[in-house]
Amino acid sequence: NAGVTQTPKFRVLKTGQSMTLLCAQDMNHEYMYWYRQDPGMGLRLIHYSVGEGTTAKGEVPDGYNVSRLKKQNFLLGLESAAPSQTSVYFCASSYRTTYNEQFFGPGTRLTVL
Amino acid sequence: QQQVKQSPQSLIVQKGGISIINCAYENTAFDYFPWYQQFPGKGPALLIAIRPDVSEKKEGRFTISFNKSAKQFSLHIMDSQPGDSATYFCAASIDDFNKFYFGSGTKLNVKP
Repeated sequence: NAGVTQTPKFRVLKTGQSMTLLCAQDMNHEYMYWYRQDPGMGLRLIHYSVGEGTTAKGEVPDGYNVSRLKKQNFLLGLESAAPSQTSVYFCASSYRTTYNEQFFGPGTRLTVL
Repeated sequence: QQQVKQSPQSLIVQKGGISIINCAYENTAFDYFPWYQQFPGKGPALLIAIRPDVSEKKEGRFTISFNKSAKQFSLHIMDSQPGDSATYFCAASIDDFNKFYFGSGTKLNVKP
């Protein structure tokens, strides 16, 4: 099993450009999450999904959109990138029960110039 | 406003020493407290977790101590090894779609 995979690993954007980050999991997890990691800030939840076709806002949702058309995939979109969105983005997934481990992908390092 | 406060930001320990990382929270509804370990260039991975019905949980060299009245919990790494050098994140969760609230992270460097 590959676990949680993320595409791409690195990306450089110019201000105003758009892009989509792809997360895929092969563990049949119901829940999926997108985080951003910034120095001194830990991991902050951007958006999450509790099932196919559903999404919800996390702590820092502004400037991002998400979609979950298939259970195994969770997409994070930046419509008009800003330098403040320079960060490392992590996707995670978990089973549909409380007190459950979240499994993380390897991350995408995004730089917005 | 960060819901989980973590300290210190960085920590240097000699091989064989004890590493201690502390976290504090305000929301008494939190009832699951995992610790994650992250190596450079990798995603975080679960290290150990505790529920508030116990005051301590030990797995090998790693121990979580939990103080419910003080709303604090800590990670102790006994006999620290250079291979333990990583960033450690505490987190807290409530029964709300398994969402986690992470601390700011502690970068541990274990010197040989």
